[in-house]
Amino acid sequence: QVQLVQAGGEVKKPGASVKVSCKASGNTLTNYYLHWVRQAPGQGLEWMGWINPNSGATNYAREFQGRFTMTRDTSITTVYMELSRLRFDDTAVYYCARENGDHNAMDVWGQGTTVTVS
Amino acid sequence: DIQMTQSPSSLSTSVGDRVTITCRASQGISNSLAWYQQKPGKPPKVLICGASTLQSGVPSRFSGSGSGTDFTLTISSLQPEDVATYYCQKYDRAPYSFGQGTKLEIK
Repeated sequence: QVQLVQAGGEVKKPGASVKVSCKASGNTLTNYYLHWVRQAPGQGLEWMGWINPNSGATNYAREFQGRFTMTRDTSITTVYMELSRLRFDDTAVYYCARENGDHNAMDVWGQGTTVTVS
Repeated sequence: DIQMTQSPSSLSTSVGDRVTITCRASQGISNSLAWYQQKPGKPPKVLICGASTLQSGVPSRFSGSGSGTDFTLTISSLQPEDVATYYCQKYDRAPYSFGQGTKLEIK
């Protein structure tokens, strides 16, 4: 059973960039879309975008276009998200999550990476 | 973009009660809807996909219904371990928006 393992927390200054990793253990991410979802303190879930690890194709939520980038490594075991021009309100837990097939729910989630902008 | 609206935003009820949470899409999404349960400090856990298909291992007291624009998550008999925040999410096409969440507490 695949698990998604995320890197530890980050503290960044406003205007900086952060790059967060999400590694699949137990399998590759072949044939699965990988999503990023964030959750600000005390707030709800916010979908950010998806990446097709096979092709590298991406789809970004409008709110993040221009400063949010998703990439993957060639082994298709790790995907990355990078958020630039950080603002205080980007402080949140960032989750990666696997979509179980094409147009389906997210059945496997990483444990989350806390990004603090301070 | 299609908006997802959940109600109520919070709910306080007793153990054994029947609980109903609703989710409305601003446009039709067929049955491309999932329900998630999130406990504090944990990632969300998918309960239901396809609007009504219970995920493996999820207790049968949870059920989902609906299609098009109106959806419902029902807990037939609330248990103490069901205290959590519940979210609906559309996945017909991007953006895969979430509802704003329903916080469920025990009286």
